Amino acid sequence: TQLLEQSPQFLSIQEGENLTVYCNSSSVFSSLQWYRQEPGEGPVLLVTVVTGGEVKKLKRLTFQFGDARKDSSLHITAAQPGDTGLYLCAGAVGSARQLTFGSGTQLTVLP
Amino acid sequence: GAVVSQHPSRVICKSGTSVKIECRSLDFQATTMFWYRQFPKQSLMLMATSNEGSKATYEQGVEKDKFLINHASLTLSTLTVTSAHPEDSSFYICSAETGANQPQHFGDGTRLSIL
Repeated sequence: TQLLEQSPQFLSIQEGENLTVYCNSSSVFSSLQWYRQEPGEGPVLLVTVVTGGEVKKLKRLTFQFGDARKDSSLHITAAQPGDTGLYLCAGAVGSARQLTFGSGTQLTVLP
Repeated sequence: GAVVSQHPSRVICKSGTSVKIECRSLDFQATTMFWYRQFPKQSLMLMATSNEGSKATYEQGVEKDKFLINHASLTLSTLTVTSAHPEDSSFYICSAETGANQPQHFGDGTRLSIL
């Protein structure tokens, strides 16, 4: 059983559209990170959220951590082709330093 | 800051060969590094936690004699895939923490292809 369920798995949209990616779990996370990965490269950290209900914005990206710290979402406004990539959520449970990764969302933004 | 360098970026070798992958923290010290494996179009799966000066902690199902980890200094961890076979072909990625409860920063990965 996947500890972190991420949806959708694949998403193909036109430039300028908005989208939301979801990351859900039955476990409570002490922190949750969102990463973006391009082919042949390692994941690049986008944001870390630690407080239930926390909302963070990074330009056109808005990240939200659920009140119960079991889920998170990533919303992209006016998507651009440069946003194309694999988006991964990853969480740490309790005091553990190990991360559990979600299944990933492959986003393609068409010009 | 928080740059993690991984080397080599790509390895192609024959079955039966042992391959060593290096993971270095360039501008910080990392007492803990992590090794992941990623298959095409899939997410990252944690293989082991590498601790400086002590034995690595392996995840369930990962053979410690197959994937040897050495973390001899605060800036270097190595993963050696011993007697590699085609099924070991994968994308191996390391990460390091800048400190306790800090996010992990990832290397650029090593594409291992066993013929």
